[in-house]
Amino acid sequence: DAGITQSPRHKVTETGTPVTLRCHQTENHRYMYWYRQDPGHGLRLIHYSYGVKDTDKGEVSDGYSVSRSKTEDFLLTLESATSSQTSVYFCAISRDSNNSPLHFGNGTRLTVT
Amino acid sequence: AQSVTQLDSQVPVFEEAPVELRCNYSSSVSVYLFWYVQYPNQGLQLLLKYLSGSTLVESINGFEAEFNKSQTSFHLRKPSVHISDTAEYFCAVRSNAGNMLTFGGGTRLMVKP
Repeated sequence: DAGITQSPRHKVTETGTPVTLRCHQTENHRYMYWYRQDPGHGLRLIHYSYGVKDTDKGEVSDGYSVSRSKTEDFLLTLESATSSQTSVYFCAISRDSNNSPLHFGNGTRLTVT
Repeated sequence: AQSVTQLDSQVPVFEEAPVELRCNYSSSVSVYLFWYVQYPNQGLQLLLKYLSGSTLVESINGFEAEFNKSQTSFHLRKPSVHISDTAEYFCAVRSNAGNMLTFGGGTRLMVKP
């Protein structure tokens, strides 16, 4: 398995509270991604990073922010969690942008009550 | 913009029967195509990929997929399924000009004894 660790694995939080999810990689890959998985929608890209301090929005970025201060860490922050953000969040990494496959972490299940 | 449609959300099949999971995509540029598999409570794992060359690609566990440019399809097939193939399968497309991997909604393959 690619060296990707997501933390926490499970989290329950209340509406309106801030939440930060962490993704840590040991592969020294340039690209890192945050996806959310919801039934019937597959995986949808939230944000991605193509280098330290270089990030860009995906298709469902509203309500989320990210930061990448080191190659190995990519943080996803929900500034004020809402029930619509209840989901399973996956981090992924890839060596480059085009034909390299993505390698996924095992996910974080977030419940916003 | 690119999109992926997986035509079946669930496919029930008996053990040792053949199966086809359908995937169609749309894109205005050349693409790379992927199939990922997700077992319960795990992240996604790459099953196979089409980058260029032969339009028929195979995985190590007996799955194959054929890239059909004229029909913009990348259907996944296996001639004889096992109980252990029960999982969710995701088709994904990435353009050769972009960073984003776009996923279909997923197909849940349920293999029955």
